[in-house]
Amino acid sequence: EAGVAQSPRYRIIEKRQSVAFWCNPISGHATLYWYQQILGQGPKLLIQFQNNGVVDDSQLPKDRFSAERLKGVDSTLKIQPAKLEDSAVYLCASSAITGGETEAFFGQGTRLTVV
Amino acid sequence: TQLLEQSPQFLSIQEGENLTVYCNSSSVFSSLQWYRQEPGEGPVLLVTVVTGGEVKKLKRLTFQFGDARKDSSLHITAAQPGDTGLYLCAGANAGGTSYGKLTFGQGTILTVHP
Repeated sequence: EAGVAQSPRYRIIEKRQSVAFWCNPISGHATLYWYQQILGQGPKLLIQFQNNGVVDDSQLPKDRFSAERLKGVDSTLKIQPAKLEDSAVYLCASSAITGGETEAFFGQGTRLTVV
Repeated sequence: TQLLEQSPQFLSIQEGENLTVYCNSSSVFSSLQWYRQEPGEGPVLLVTVVTGGEVKKLKRLTFQFGDARKDSSLHITAAQPGDTGLYLCAGANAGGTSYGKLTFGQGTILTVHP
């Protein structure tokens, strides 16, 4: 079974530039998550999709971050304009909720450095 | 807002020692997961516990879910250098508007020295 695919693996951009990340979840997984992870800390949920609808985006900085999941499969996360504090690893995960259990499978992440 | 508090935040031990990591919350979760993450990789699921009081064993790792489904612990027996990594607990909701939401603790960085 193919895992969650993310690209690119690394990006270095200057502040105020824009950047986009792409995620392809595991086939058949209706739920897709984007997390932001600062080095050595736990992932912080940015947005959760159920198919192509948003379930939770309460912690997404909507003035600069946007995400979409067209057709309920692939997803993109965009930052515009980037700030220094956006430097982090951006993780995509997908899950198939079965019998009340949520088990998420993660991609390798995209490490963003804003200089 | 649901919060998960993990302790300790850092753990540095010698090979062969035992250790326990705690994950506590004031909220009830439908299930709780433990993940392990290595540098440059995404978290990898170790176990899911669903029933209050449940105990699961995975080789040298023992996971317990509190009776009230608000807390959990991870115990490692005879730690090895290969156990080094970031250990994360995550609580999941299975109902209402938070369906499928997965909230992570801040993690425990474990270093096992040879």
